[in-house]
Amino acid sequence: GNSVTQMEGPVTLSEEAFLTINCTYTATGYPSLFWYVQYPGEGLQLLLKATKADDKGSNKGFEATYRKETTSFHLEKGSVQVSDSAVYFCALTADYKLSFGAGTTVTVRA
Amino acid sequence: EAGVAQSPRYKIIEKRQSVAFWCNPISGHATLYWYQQILGQGPKLLIQFQNNGVVDDSQLPKDRFSAERLKGVDSTLKIQPAKLEDSAVYLCASRGQQMNTEAFFGQGTRLTVV
Repeated sequence: GNSVTQMEGPVTLSEEAFLTINCTYTATGYPSLFWYVQYPGEGLQLLLKATKADDKGSNKGFEATYRKETTSFHLEKGSVQVSDSAVYFCALTADYKLSFGAGTTVTVRA
Repeated sequence: EAGVAQSPRYKIIEKRQSVAFWCNPISGHATLYWYQQILGQGPKLLIQFQNNGVVDDSQLPKDRFSAERLKGVDSTLKIQPAKLEDSAVYLCASRGQQMNTEAFFGQGTRLTVV
């Protein structure tokens, strides 16, 4: 079946630090890959996505590249802000099924 | 475009009571999901509908949980009787027809069973 494994947290960073959250997946066929973010007290919202190999998704300074050879979709941001404090979920969809990783809590200190 | 609507936002019940959650997806979205998110964990799929048919309910505890999606639009999820371990946020999401599109989530219902 489909599954997503992401880096365990929590992660604590200082403002302007570089952030990487690792995500690897197992899937049959050709999945689409997503990063969702959950800010405190809010629902899940899409951060970025990539639908085929070598695609790069980007939004709000975050980037992730769909690497089929390593089955990975790592999330990166070059300079984080306090407002980036949230829980980040890697997800994949294949055959209309949507599977999530366990989530990584990121806290950015001023 | 209106988002996914869920109600109630919060619910506190005693164990062995019953509870129901309601979800209204984005108009025209054929796929509807119910997820359970326990504190500190990722969302776990309970049931997936395609229009009004069930696609996947393999992780739904069918002895106590039930869900329906009449007319392929809004949906209800029921727990009867509730257990303490059912305390979680219940998320509803919907998705359009194209396979590569993202799912849109509601705000969720936070259930506390005491």
